[in-house]
This record gives sequence, structure tokens and C-alpha cells, in this order.
Amino acid sequence: KNEVEQSPQNLTAQEGEFITINCSYSVGISALHWLQQHPGGGIVSLFMLSSGKKKHGRLIATINIQEKHSSLHITASHPRDSAVYICAVYGGSQGNLIFGKGTKLSVKP
Amino acid sequence: NAGVTQTPKFRILKIGQSMTLQCTQDMNHNYMYWYRQDPGMGLKLIYYSVGAGITDKGEVPNGYNVSRSTTEDFPLRLELAAPSQTSVYFCASSYSKDGYEQYFGPGTRLTVT
Repeated sequence: KNEVEQSPQNLTAQEGEFITINCSYSVGISALHWLQQHPGGGIVSLFMLSSGKKKHGRLIATINIQEKHSSLHITASHPRDSAVYICAVYGGSQGNLIFGKGTKLSVKP
Repeated sequence: NAGVTQTPKFRILKIGQSMTLQCTQDMNHNYMYWYRQDPGMGLKLIYYSVGAGITDKGEVPNGYNVSRSTTEDFPLRLELAAPSQTSVYFCASSYSKDGYEQYFGPGTRLTVT
């Protein structure tokens, strides 16, 4: 079983829809990361959170430490949100980041 | 600031050839990382460094070597390239480990044939 599981693997939405991507993890963590990888390949950090909720523009990330679960929400989705969204947590024997496989989001106009 | 830069962007190697992937950061970060990303898989850690002169193996180090002679540079060496090393390689850096954002380079797409 992977230590970081994301769902869904693929997601297609119409412009304007509310989107939720989920991340469940089995390792103990102090911080969880959400990253975005655009079709060109570059990876950027969106959020880092260890409790509660963070908001940046149309993106909202929440985490429930007790349930070992985080969600990334996108409100009023737009085609430019099309990307792979990756969840990562610190864990393992060396305490390095462990990455989920990513959720590929496609937003149609 | 340029952030994290990687060269080359693309490379095709023949089996058995060697090459070095370059990574430089200008943020004075102590921590640097090399990851590989295979289709449908999460990023896997190859090697990491916590400062100049200090490196350690990650999850998938076989077939690779690293060095860290300066804070800025963290090259990844592939010796005797194999088709299994066909992947996209990302370098990243962070000020510290737990609880700090990692900054990624643009990636190097490597094909070994």
C-alpha cells in the first residue's frame, strides 16, 4: 500500500465547476504539501499545511490530522487550472518527502 | 533570483554512456535533492544533501552518484546509463527539511536507448 494515496487519478471538469482532490496518508507527518505540475513539466509549491485550512485565491487546502486526510479545492475552475496536482508528506526512515502519484486535472472551456 | 536551474533540459544517451546533470540554486539553501519522475508514479528521491560536503542516499540511489562541494551546486552523475534510467529528473532545494517549502528546477528529460 502506498504511503500517500490520491484520488481521483484523473479528473475532467467544465469551466466554473468546484473541484476537490483528496489525499490520504499513512505516515505520521508534521507538514503536508500540495504541489502543481503544469503540462510543461515545472513543479511549484501551492500550500504547506500542518493543521486547519489555507486559502490562496481560488485554491483552498484543508487537513485533518486525526483522519490523516487532506483535500485541495478549486473554486470557479478555469482551463488554466489544468495540471497535475501532487500531495506530499514527510515520512519514512529518513524523514524525506513522500509523494503521491498525482491527480491529473483537465478543465474544459 | 533565478531559483533552481538545471541543465540540460533534454538529453538522449546510449546504453553505457555517462553524463552529469547539473543543478544550481541561488537561494543559499542548505538542503538539496534529486528526484526522478516516471510516468504514472510519484516522485522518488535519488539523493539528497544537507549542506556542502554532506550527501546521503534516498529511496532509489543505484546507478547514480552525487557530490556537493559548494552550497550552490549539486550535480547528479549517471554512470553506465541503462534504459531503466529513462525518466524526468528534478532537482530541488529548501532552507531546511521538515516544514519548509521545496523549490524545484525545471527538470531534465533523459532518454537512454
